[in-house]
Formats: sequence, structure tokens, C-alpha cells
Amino acid sequence: GAVVSQHPSRVICKSGTSVKIECRSLDFQATTMFWYRQFPKQSLMLMATSNEGSKATYEQGVEKDKFLINHASLTLSTLTVTSAHPEDSSFYICSARGSVAGHYYEQYFGPGTRLTVT
Amino acid sequence: DAKTTQPPSMDCAEGRAANLPCNHSTISGNEYVYWYRQIHSQGPQYIIHGLKNNETNEMASLIITEDRKSSTLILPHATLRDTAVYYCIVRVASSNDYKLSFGAGTTVTVRA
Repeated sequence: GAVVSQHPSRVICKSGTSVKIECRSLDFQATTMFWYRQFPKQSLMLMATSNEGSKATYEQGVEKDKFLINHASLTLSTLTVTSAHPEDSSFYICSARGSVAGHYYEQYFGPGTRLTVT
Repeated sequence: DAKTTQPPSMDCAEGRAANLPCNHSTISGNEYVYWYRQIHSQGPQYIIHGLKNNETNEMASLIITEDRKSSTLILPHATLRDTAVYYCIVRVASSNDYKLSFGAGTTVTVRA
């Protein structure tokens, strides 16, 4: 299957700082990327969807000015958590889906990034 | 997309088949059934999907009832590494612009 990587796998930052998480599709071109958040013992919650070269579409209740998403190329999307606070501590997971000539691949997930805000 | 209902947890014995049920009674004729699993502290892993017919791959088999209101994921020979949360998801087949929404899933514990 297709491979999606995330960097870093773990990050600890101080309250009030910003942190950037990268998501890369390693062996396919991802026309669409998704960002999910998962709190302990809960399911994944979709935060936003981004198409390459377009602005991200955020799910209801997700602050677009706090969670900045950039999908500038077909293999890279970044999520920046701005002015992070302890309640932003969570497991952030990206997902990517590619397409060729109108045929869409399945959605593949990265390994996740554990963010801890102190 | 249709909602799914799964048991919150189940145990199974190593080496035996694990049968994971999923109810999707409101599924529409153009919706696929997908299964993903998430091993602790990792991203979800695609397992299998189907529309009407039963499907099998190297990981599992998917049995969909004739009325499509429920399905069963079968892990033929469960191993300890199959311990994970298993998610049953339905999504519209006719749309390429779909999003996968995860429910609570079933926590499967494989015991030696």
C-alpha cells in the first residue's frame, strides 16, 4: 500500500509557542490530504480537508486561525498549531489520498504525531 | 453517510478466527463498507472494503449480508499483533470527494 509519513513523531512545546507538523506522501501524489485529531481513549476526529493548491476546508468547531494548514505540493501538507495551549495536547494524524486520471486511491494514514504542550 | 454500530470490545483466542460484526442498517445502495484498524499509538491501517459482494485479501475477509444492513470482518487466524481498535465505516461510492468519519470502533484483544 501507499506510504504516508509524518514528522516529528513526538513534540513537546511550551504554552504560547507554535509547532509545525509535516505530512508527506512518499510514493504517490496526494491530491487531497486530511488532518485528524485523537484524544486519549477517543476516536479520530476530522479537523480539516485540503486539496493541493487550495485553501483547507475546516470541520465545524475547528478554528482555522489556530490550526493553519498548507498543502503547497502534491506530496507535502503541513499543520501548524499556533499559540499552543495544554488543551491542544493530542495525537495528530494526517491522511492522504491520490488520484490518477480521475481514479481515486484509497485513503492512507500517517503514523501520527504526539503533541504535548506544557 | 450511513452510521455504523459496533460492539465496544471483544476478546478472541490466538490462532482462532475473529469475527467482528458491524451494523449499518441505514446504508444506501451506493455506499461502500470499509474496515480500518488502529494499533495503539499508530495511524489507522486500511484492511478491506466492499460494496455488495464478499471480499477477501491477504489480511481479512469481508462478508456483507444480502440486504447490506450488516457485515462481518473475519480475521482467519488471529495473532497477538491483531490486537487493535477496528473501525467499520461506510462512505458514498459514487463520490470521489469523500471523507472518512470514524466511530468508536471495536477494541479487539487477542489472548494467547
